[in-house]
Amino acid sequence: AQSVTQLGSHVSVSEGALVLLRCNYSSSVPPYLFWYVQYPNQGLQLLLKYTSAATLVKGINGFEAEFKKSETSFHLTKPSAHMSDAAEYFCAVSRGGNFNKFYFGSGTKLNVKP
Amino acid sequence: DAGITQSPRYKITETGRQVTLMCHQTWSHSYMFWYRQDLGHGLRLIYYSAAADITDKGEVPDGYVVSRSKTENFPLTLESATRSQTSVYFCASSPIQGDNQPQHFGDGTRLSIL
Repeated sequence: AQSVTQLGSHVSVSEGALVLLRCNYSSSVPPYLFWYVQYPNQGLQLLLKYTSAATLVKGINGFEAEFKKSETSFHLTKPSAHMSDAAEYFCAVSRGGNFNKFYFGSGTKLNVKP
Repeated sequence: DAGITQSPRYKITETGRQVTLMCHQTWSHSYMFWYRQDLGHGLRLIYYSAAADITDKGEVPDGYVVSRSKTENFPLTLESATRSQTSVYFCASSPIQGDNQPQHFGDGTRLSIL
């Protein structure tokens, strides 16, 4: 069975501060991992994906995530938050194959304070 | 432009009515998915399809019906709407080739059932 846990349904940071959004997964096989961002009244946009070529993955808008197998984690970070980063972020896991079914975390809403 | 479009974007209906949500993609992706998004639950898979005329149930299929007569279209029907089906519905698609393919999302349909 696969599942994704996102710790913290709401995270608040000041503009310019480090952003850290946590994601832990459980999977019986090596997973494929994704981070998506959702702005209000929009669909989900892909931020980045883990490809197994490198444990540190860089995405769009300055975000990156590090795959840590020993911790079963794939936390999302950004060194300096911008007001435009305020959105909801979803971590997802897939095994590939299997009709490419995704399992999503419950999401983390990021608030950026001026 | 190529992409995935959902219609309508907003819909209000009454309990017991039949309502169909449309999804159209121009990428010729094999896989298509329907999710519902509710507070605290993230995205939950309703139905998915691997190709035309091949569909299967996801995590929360009760009360929903899908069809896929053409690769590009994947309508979702609520045969007799209930208030518990008030939600935001997202359609997604992904290609079949290779693993770790991301899913691409439409902008969603906000459905309210009175």
